[in-house]
Amino acid sequence: GAVVSQHPSWVICKSGTSVKIECRSLDFQATTMFWYRQFPKQSLMLMATSNEGSKATYEQGVEKDKFLINHASLTLSTLTVTSAHPEDSSFYICSAEKGLAGGFVSEQYFGPGTRLTVT
Amino acid sequence: QKEVEQNSGPLSVPEGAIASLNCTYSDRGSQSFFWYRQYSGKSPELIMFIYSNGDKEDGRFTAQLNKASQYVSLLIRDSQPSDSATYLCAVEERNRDDKIIFGKGTRLHILP
Repeated sequence: GAVVSQHPSWVICKSGTSVKIECRSLDFQATTMFWYRQFPKQSLMLMATSNEGSKATYEQGVEKDKFLINHASLTLSTLTVTSAHPEDSSFYICSAEKGLAGGFVSEQYFGPGTRLTVT
Repeated sequence: QKEVEQNSGPLSVPEGAIASLNCTYSDRGSQSFFWYRQYSGKSPELIMFIYSNGDKEDGRFTAQLNKASQYVSLLIRDSQPSDSATYLCAVEERNRDDKIIFGKGTRLHILP
């Protein structure tokens, strides 16, 4: 199997506060994890690529000082939304990459997502 | 700019019929291709991946890849109402640390 969990599944916070979201691969080790954001009725938008033991790679337009990513182990990556504002309200989804035998193809398995509402 | 294109739909298919979902991609060097299903309010779920030209079958699902035409499709046989979802085509970008580029998705509606 390939199970990825996220915590919390939903969170409501006040404007100006920070929120941490955890992403865990439960039954495999993931050197690489990805963080996505999805607004209602829109497609997934990759925010950043998280590599264990190194700095995350952020996509253009994503503020690295606002969206802090830490990939401390092969099974855990965290995304911290700092000084959250209402426009940060979204569905945040992580995925973890699992390599297949032979190393030619790797699959991404998604966590269940975290719905963030900033009031 | 590498792109993955899908018709946004909605695609309406009668129950029991074959649903055909199509996707084109711009990076000729892409090697791996994925289909994800996403129900409203949920995260994507991997259905199939394919990396060789031709067909790959798994149950009611068949993925088809034509690298010369830069085209990948997903066929769903004996469509069920539970297949109603958004289907995301994804392509692994070459030389970018396994970054996957997603299409915007096709909404599929199976008519009971």
